[in-house]
Amino acid sequence: QSVLTQPPSASGTPGQRVTISCSGGTSDIGDDDINWYQQVPGKAPKLLIYNDNQRPTGVPDRFSGSKSGSSASLAISGLQSEDEADYYCATWHNNRDGWVFGGGTKLTVL
Amino acid sequence: QLQLQESGPGLLKPSETLSLRCTVSGGSIITDSYYWGWIRQPPGKGLEWIGSIYHSGSTYYNPSLESRVTISVDASNNQFSLRVNSVTAADTSVYYCARQGRIITYFDRWGQGALVTVSS
Repeated sequence: QSVLTQPPSASGTPGQRVTISCSGGTSDIGDDDINWYQQVPGKAPKLLIYNDNQRPTGVPDRFSGSKSGSSASLAISGLQSEDEADYYCATWHNNRDGWVFGGGTKLTVL
Repeated sequence: QLQLQESGPGLLKPSETLSLRCTVSGGSIITDSYYWGWIRQPPGKGLEWIGSIYHSGSTYYNPSLESRVTISVDASNNQFSLRVNSVTAADTSVYYCARQGRIITYFDRWGQGALVTVSS
C-alpha cells in the first residue's frame, strides 16, 4: 500500500483537460513539496513538476500542479496522444524519514 | 548533459547479494547541490525509494529496507553503488539511480534502469 493515494487510472480524448489527484497526510504532502513524474512504458521516470507547481525547463506549460492541504493535483490541458503514460506523485515523509511515492495513475488517451 | 548509467548482474539466486553501480558522466558527483539516490520498481508496480548518498558518504535509507541495504560512493571514479543483502523474489525489480536535489528536493535526472531478477 502506497502512503500517497492516486487513482489507478484516468482517461481523456485529445484536446481535453484531465486531472490526476494525489492525497496524503499532514506528515507528507501537508508538510513538504510535492513532485510529479511521468513514466512512458519501458522508460525511466521523468520529472514533470517540482515544488508543487514548478515546471523544469522543457516541460510544456500544458502541465500544471497544485496543492491544497494534504492533497495535490496534476492537470494536463490540451491532451495529446504522447501524454499516454503513468504518472506518479512523490514527496518527503517526515515521520518515515524518507521519500514516498503514490501508487501511480495510468493515463489513457482515447 | 549529465547522464547516469546503471550496471551489474541481472540474475541472482535467493539469499545472494545484489550489487549495482551507477556511473555519472557529464558532471561531477562531488557537488554541494545534490544527493545521489536509488529507486526501484517491481514489474508492473510503482516506485519505491531505496536510499540516497551525499558525496561525503553520508547516507539515509528507506527504513523498510535499511537492515539489508548499503549505498556507497566512489567519488574518484564518479560512481555510487548499491548493495542489497539476502535477496528474495520480492527484490526483483528495475533499479534506477537518480540525481536528487539537496536544496530543491526532487529526482531530476534518472538512469535508464537495470532489471534485476531473483530466481532459483
